[in-house]
Amino acid sequence: AQSVAQPEDQVNVAEGNPLTVKCTYSVSGNPYLFWYVQYPNRGLQFLLKYITGDNLVKGSYGFEAEFNKSQTSFHLKKPSALVSDSALYFCAVRDGTNDYKLSFGAGTTVTVRA
Amino acid sequence: GAVVSQHPSRVICKSGTSVKIECRSLDFQATTMFWYRQFPKQSLMLMATSNEGSKATYEQGVEKDKFLINHASLTLSTLTVTSAHPEDSSFYICSAPRTSGSLAGELFFGEGSRLTVL
Repeated sequence: AQSVAQPEDQVNVAEGNPLTVKCTYSVSGNPYLFWYVQYPNRGLQFLLKYITGDNLVKGSYGFEAEFNKSQTSFHLKKPSALVSDSALYFCAVRDGTNDYKLSFGAGTTVTVRA
Repeated sequence: GAVVSQHPSRVICKSGTSVKIECRSLDFQATTMFWYRQFPKQSLMLMATSNEGSKATYEQGVEKDKFLINHASLTLSTLTVTSAHPEDSSFYICSAPRTSGSLAGELFFGEGSRLTVL
């Protein structure tokens, strides 16, 4: 079984401030972890992934995420948020042995105010 | 990069009619595609796995006869919502994994199709 928890429905930050979106996961095998962003009435855009290797993963648009095995977390971060980062963010996980079937978190709405 | 295209992006239909949504992988072949359903401000719920050349695999609780899936070729999967009712109104998203090349292992999503049943 695999699952993802995003404990915050909403995150509000001021432009220029650091942004963190939290994610914890549960998976029976090796975790493959992903972050996606969704704008209104659009599909999902890939931001970054962790498969193996360095725990700090850098992705698109200045985002990064840190894999923490002991805390089973994969929090998304951006040092300086932009108003254009306002969107819905999804964390997702799959067991490394399965056929690409992802489990998504409930999503976190990020609002960056000018 | 890899592109997955969905059509139509928006569709409005009358209750009782059937609606077909197409999902195409434009620059790669996909033997497997996934169909998700998303309610407003909620997460994506996997409905079924579409398999080229064989029957789709449905998730628990998804009606096979209501949501017909056909994976006609290595680049096309279709989802048909049969005898649609207002409760079927939702945002439907497909995805396809790339299994070769530099992007192997990544899942690519379509832009989604918003279905409104009147």
